[in-house]
Amino acid sequence: AQTVTQSQPEMSVQEAETVTLSCTYDTSESDYYLFWYKQPPSRQMILVIRQEAYKQQNATENRFSVNFQKAAKSFSLKISDSQLGDAAMYFCAYRSARGGGADGLTFGKGTHLIIQP
Amino acid sequence: GAGVSQSPRYKVAKRGQDVALRCDPISGHVSLFWYQQALGQGPEFLTYFQNEAQLDKSGLPSDRFFAERPEGSVSTLKIQRTQQEDSAVYLCASSFRSGMSTDTQYFGPGTRLTVL
Repeated sequence: AQTVTQSQPEMSVQEAETVTLSCTYDTSESDYYLFWYKQPPSRQMILVIRQEAYKQQNATENRFSVNFQKAAKSFSLKISDSQLGDAAMYFCAYRSARGGGADGLTFGKGTHLIIQP
Repeated sequence: GAGVSQSPRYKVAKRGQDVALRCDPISGHVSLFWYQQALGQGPEFLTYFQNEAQLDKSGLPSDRFFAERPEGSVSTLKIQRTQQEDSAVYLCASSFRSGMSTDTQYFGPGTRLTVL
């Protein structure tokens, strides 16, 4: 079974600064997908960024980028120019490619990101 | 373009009661997932539907949990004889296609179940 570990229960960053959230995972599979989801307080979980394991290039989405280290099984999220609206719980998630879409996501426990004005 | 909706948003049940939680996926989405999110934890997979077929129910914690999607759209998660450990937020997610692990799962707001 796959596991996802987020070792930072809480992170705090000044507005406009850069913050990196850590995620490691354990799997014996070679083909899979990794995701970062954002869950604002009392609001719906939304996808921030996605990385296919077969791609060497790190994914980027505007101010959000990842550092994907497949050999180390590490998948960190970097948020540049932090904004107050970035405050939320951030979950790292893993999905196997084996099930052809039938697999659910395996989530970490989350990191609570605080943005200080 | 409505997103995934869930009802009720909040449910309080006495221990031993049965509850039914509803999920309305995005129109046309083939795949539907249920997750359970305990307080302070990440969501955990419960079950998966492709249209009306329940293809994976490996995450259901006990036989008190039952899910259905009879017409391939709306889904209901039923919990019989609720216990305190069932208290959690129940999340529903849908995605457009089946057979595509890259497809984005769109989440609903969840139903917060409290069992007294």
